[in-house]
Amino acid sequence: EVQLVESGGDLVQPGGSLRLSCAASGFIFSGYAMSWVRQAPGQGLEWVSTIGESGDRTYYADSMKGRFTVSRDNSQNTLYLQMNGLRAEDAAVYYCAIGETVLVNWGQGTLVTVSS
Amino acid sequence: EIVLTQSPDFQSVTPKEKVTITCRASQSIGSSLHWYQQKPDQSPRLLIKYASQSLSGVPSRFSGSGSGTDFTLTINSLEAEDAATYYCHQSSSLPRTFGQGTKVEIK
Repeated sequence: EVQLVESGGDLVQPGGSLRLSCAASGFIFSGYAMSWVRQAPGQGLEWVSTIGESGDRTYYADSMKGRFTVSRDNSQNTLYLQMNGLRAEDAAVYYCAIGETVLVNWGQGTLVTVSS
Repeated sequence: EIVLTQSPDFQSVTPKEKVTITCRASQSIGSSLHWYQQKPDQSPRLLIKYASQSLSGVPSRFSGSGSGTDFTLTINSLEAEDAATYYCHQSSSLPRTFGQGTKVEIK
């Protein structure tokens, strides 16, 4: 069974940093691109970032470029999202998902709160 | 950036009714359009990929159509468990974008 388990969400002050993790199991992790998508409270879905199967390709939404870094450890079947310079508008549930075009499976999400 | 506009934003529907949700892209995206269902307090779930391709495990009452700029998600004979918000999503170009969502309520 495919499982994606996000963790690392927390309350952080504006300007702070956080690293999210997504532990994957039930599929060949190294064979799939992975994506992050976020959802602010009561709002719709927003694509954040995508990383290629080997980590050699990374893509970001414009508002995250330079602040967020996506990475992966295929030996640990884990996806990461390093978030720096956090702003109030970054507060959201962050989901990891399998895929680069079609987002086939999604995790349950981890909540990031940005507040002083 | 490709903007996806869904209509309607909200729909209240009686069980067994047919539901039609449209998604219009600001420029042609071929068939690179996917549909997701998100029930309250749950993660999104892929329903239809590449405009009209069905998926294993998704009830046959869900279908998709369209290409270019105009797309439709149809739910034939709505069931109570279909109460959710539905999103379209394009993978034709970066940045990937989603529609604003259509909330379907059961009367």
